[in-house]
Amino acid sequence: QKEVEQNSGPLSVPEGAIASLNCTYSDRGSQSFFWYRQYSGKSPELIMFIYSNGDKEDGRFTAQLNKASQYVSLLIRDSQPSDSATYLCAVRTGKTSYDKVIFGPGTSLSVIP
Amino acid sequence: NAGVTQTPKFQVLKTGQSMTLQCAQDMNHNSMYWYRQDPGMGLRLIYYSASEGTTDKGEVPNGYNVSRLNKREFSLRLESAAPSQTSVYFCASQWIAGVGEHTQYFGPGTRLTVL
Repeated sequence: QKEVEQNSGPLSVPEGAIASLNCTYSDRGSQSFFWYRQYSGKSPELIMFIYSNGDKEDGRFTAQLNKASQYVSLLIRDSQPSDSATYLCAVRTGKTSYDKVIFGPGTSLSVIP
Repeated sequence: NAGVTQTPKFQVLKTGQSMTLQCAQDMNHNSMYWYRQDPGMGLRLIYYSASEGTTDKGEVPNGYNVSRLNKREFSLRLESAAPSQTSVYFCASQWIAGVGEHTQYFGPGTRLTVL
């Protein structure tokens, strides 16, 4: 079983809709969870970080974490064509700054105008 | 600030050739990382350096070596390139913004083709 799993997509949503991206992880000791956005041919950039169970909102983005189910999701409200990108889920295990961050394979999102 | 810089941006090698990918960051971060990204595989950690003077293997270290030259620079060396090493290579540095908030900043990547 891969450590961090995501649906590869592509996920297509109409402009203005809610895009829902999902991620599961295998290590119950995982501490921190990240969503990175990567445009085609570009490098990943952090868009959301979540540490505690529940929801965290930042503008049109909401990250949801359920540690008991080992599940983290990203909701994008009022999706825009500029949101079309690959979204990488990343998980940090352990509690020290030296711990590695494991990335999922990414979900490709396409927002249709 | 330039952030994280990588050189070269593109490189074509023949099987068996060697090369060094350079990475530098000007954000005074302690930790630096090298990843490779292949289609459908996400980012896979090759090596990382938690601080100046230390390096550790990641998920896919075979065929690579690294040097943490100083706090700013972290290089990746391919001693004898193989076609399986054709990939996009990203360097990253890490900043701890708060409890658990380990944010990685990525360079623009090096696109390597091994023929």
